This record gives sequence, C-alpha cells and structure tokens, in this order.
Amino acid sequence: DGGITQSPKYLFRKEGQNVTLSCEQNLNHDAMYWYRQDPGQGLRLIYYSQIVNDFQKGDIAEGYSVSREKKESFPLTVTSAQKNPTAFYLCASSRSPGQGAPITNEKLFFGSGTQLSVL
Amino acid sequence: GEDVEQSLFLSVREGDSSVINCTYTDSSSTYLYWYKQEPGAGLQLLTYIFSNMDMKQDQRLTVLLNKKDKHLSLRIADTQTGDSAIYFCAETPLGAGNTGKLIFGQGTTLQVKP
Repeated sequence: DGGITQSPKYLFRKEGQNVTLSCEQNLNHDAMYWYRQDPGQGLRLIYYSQIVNDFQKGDIAEGYSVSREKKESFPLTVTSAQKNPTAFYLCASSRSPGQGAPITNEKLFFGSGTQLSVL
Repeated sequence: GEDVEQSLFLSVREGDSSVINCTYTDSSSTYLYWYKQEPGAGLQLLTYIFSNMDMKQDQRLTVLLNKKDKHLSLRIADTQTGDSAIYFCAETPLGAGNTGKLIFGQGTTLQVKP
C-alpha cells in the first residue's frame, strides 16, 4: 500500500539535545512538508520541499533543520535552539505540478504524526 | 496576511446534523479544504471545493461556499459517534503559487453524544 510513514510515534528530548523525526513516502510525490500542531491552534508550516535537494523555510523555521537527499525521505531535526519543541509534528506530501503550470488541486497526504515532548 | 478562523468546539446529538463554520481572509483563495483528524492521528482529506463553486455534496457531507462573505461551512448529515474528531478548514491562497502550501484554521472539535 502506498502511504506516508512517520517515526517514531513518541519522542522525548533532553535539554540541549538535537532530535530527528523521520518521514518516508512511497507515493512518488515530489513535494513534502513539515507542520507543527499545538493544542487549540491550526497547523503551522515549518519547512517544505518541492524537489530533491531543495527546500524552503515555512512560517516557523527557526530552531529546525531539514534535508531532502532522496525523493522518498524528508527528515526534520529539532535543534537545541528550538526552546519550545513540545508539539505534535505532522509530515505531508503532495504532487507538484512545477513551474508555469496552472494552479491545481494538489491534495496533501499526511502521516500519522510524531508527539515530541521535553524531559 | 492570510488567516483562517474556526470556532473551537461543537457538540451535537447522534442523528442530528452538524454544521462547522470557517471564515478566511484571502479573497484570491483557489481551493478550500476540509480535513478530519482523529485522536493521535494525522489529517485525512474529507472534501474540497474550488472557489468558483457555491456548493459541493458528497454523500453525508455538504460544503457551502459564500465567496462574498469569505465563509465556508461543512454540514454532516445524520452525525454518528464515529464522526467525533477535530475538523480543519484550509485554503490554498493564490500567492502560494504551486507550492502546495495550505493555511489551516485552528480546528473545530466535534463531540457527538449518543
């Protein structure tokens, strides 16, 4: 079955530690995204990538880093610079029509999320 | 900037209709979406509507779009206990180009009482 997989489901971070959240998809999607979800708030975009070896900052990129070395994978590192990391992190993917194409409905497919907590 | 607003909580009885409302500020929005999130899970796309449509119906779901008032609603007919979840409204603003970026509301928690 095609899908998008996040791991681990639960993750704990110690003070001053970097942690990496995994996101893998086998949907052959070009675009991948990381969102952060806090209780009572909508999803906020951290980083996104439209193509391998390229990524862009979202609205709340500070304290986070990403890489996109393979089409299938888009790991997110929460660095020690992120002072309030406790949240539910959601990875998503979509097709990307590319430059010059008309706006199309490129639906987002989401993983099941990773809950990050601080020890 | 773009903003999407939803009420935070709605409670209904099983068998009644539920109406979840959403307002948005970007008049250039192209597509508007409704996503469902069950506890501890990711978001699942329920339905979507293109901005040149007024209404879309899909089985128990009806989406109404009032573009003049920038108001979107999701009606769930014959609400079941399995419909209990958080419902997110989202838009693709024109300025997002083809990035696929969505702007999400805060989510409405729907509680269905037996």
